[in-house]
Amino acid sequence: EDKVVQSPLSLVVHEGDTVTLNCSYEVTNFRSLLWYKQEKKAPTFLFMLTSSGIEKKSGRLSSILDKKELFSILNITATQTGDSAVYLCAVESTLFGGNTPLVFGKGTRLSVIA
Amino acid sequence: GAGVSQSPRYKVTKRGQDVALRCDPISGHVSLYWYRQALGQGPEFLTYFNYEAQQDKSGLPNDRFSAERPEGSISTLTIQRTEQRDSAMYRCASSLEAGGISPLHFGNGTRLTVT
Repeated sequence: EDKVVQSPLSLVVHEGDTVTLNCSYEVTNFRSLLWYKQEKKAPTFLFMLTSSGIEKKSGRLSSILDKKELFSILNITATQTGDSAVYLCAVESTLFGGNTPLVFGKGTRLSVIA
Repeated sequence: GAGVSQSPRYKVTKRGQDVALRCDPISGHVSLYWYRQALGQGPEFLTYFNYEAQQDKSGLPNDRFSAERPEGSISTLTIQRTEQRDSAMYRCASSLEAGGISPLHFGNGTRLTVT
C-alpha cells in the first residue's frame, strides 16, 4: 500500500528562521511528488517534482527530491507570519501508463510567530 | 472559471437524508477528482474522471456514495442515506491533463455535517 509520511507534524518558529519540512514515501511505480500549502481553504499547489536532485524554487520556497532515498524536503527561508499553514506532501504513481490518484501525507502544521 | 468552484460551502443534513455536492472544475480541465478530508488529515481519494468517464472509484467508502460527470465538466457527488460518519470536508480538484502530467488544483470544499 502506498504511504506518505511527513515530519515533523507541527513546528513553531520565529519570523526570519529557516525551516525544513520532510516527506518520505513508499509507492509502487513512482511518478511524481507534489507539495501543497493549505491555509483555511483549499490546498494550493507549490511544486511538482519528478526528477532527483533538481531543485525547484519559488521565492523563499524551494524543494528537492531524492528518488533513491525516497524523500523530499521543502525549505522555507526567512519565514514570515504569512507562511503559517499546513504543508501537504502527496505522491502519485503510475500503472500501465495511466495516472493514479494522489496519496497525501497528514501534513506539517507550521506556525510562524512574530 | 478562474478556480475550482464547489457548492454548497456548508451543508447540514439529518441522518438518513440524501445529499448532492457539486463541483465546477477549471474550464478546460480534463481530469476531475473527489477527495474527502478529515480534520488533521490530508485529503483521501474517493473517485476521479477523465472527461465524462469515471476512471477509478475504488476510494468510495460504500455503495451509498456515487459520482457522475455526464458532460465532462460539472460533477456531482451524491451520498444516499447519510450517516454521521459521513461528516467531513469534501474537496474537488481538477487538472488540465490526464495522466498525472499536470498538478491538481483544489476547490474550497463543501463541509458536510450529518446530525
